[in-house]
Amino acid sequence: EAQVTQNPRYLITVTGKKLTVTCSQNMNHEYMSWYRQDPGLGLRQIYYSMNVEVTDKGDVPEGYKVSRKEKRNFPLILESPSPNQTSLYFCASSFRETGLSANVLTFGAGSRLTVL
Amino acid sequence: QKEVEQNSGPLSVPEGAIASLNCTYSDRVSQSFFWYRQYSGKSPELIMSIYSNGDKEDGRFTAQLNKASQYVSLLIRDSQPSDSATYLCAVISGTYKYIFGTGTRLKVLA
Repeated sequence: EAQVTQNPRYLITVTGKKLTVTCSQNMNHEYMSWYRQDPGLGLRQIYYSMNVEVTDKGDVPEGYKVSRKEKRNFPLILESPSPNQTSLYFCASSFRETGLSANVLTFGAGSRLTVL
Repeated sequence: QKEVEQNSGPLSVPEGAIASLNCTYSDRVSQSFFWYRQYSGKSPELIMSIYSNGDKEDGRFTAQLNKASQYVSLLIRDSQPSDSATYLCAVISGTYKYIFGTGTRLKVLA
């Protein structure tokens, strides 16, 4: 089944304790992206990647790191989490082609993170 | 000006009515436009994609695109309570940046 898999789905952690949220897709998509969603603020892009070893900042990158060593994986790293990073996180992927249905985003199920 | 703007709602319509959702975008070279539906706490799911001016119909859903006015809309005919959700407009900008609006919350009243 074609899908984007995120783990963990739920996590409660404490300030300063490094954590990684994994994201993996099995559709050979070039484009991968991380979003956070907070009430009233919609989906805000954290980082995105056009392909292996190519990453770029989105609108809210502060406090986050990413890497794209393999095409299928795009982990989100919080080196020193703070309470303002409590949020619902989504990973998504697509082919990178304009004007075609191939660029529809497929989302993971989401990861709800609470930082105490 | 926000890159993709939507009215946050809630938009309330009676069951069986037509719901009309609107979205404007700022990047004139945008080529790809999407409507996603999101239930509370769930991931967004694609409802419609549209790439050229005019209307595109899929079942009870019709997307309308007007590039000259930088406007995209979604019509939901025969609205059902199960359509109650937040609808996200998304645009791929000229630099291949996926940009989402903040969403319009739709409530279909039984």
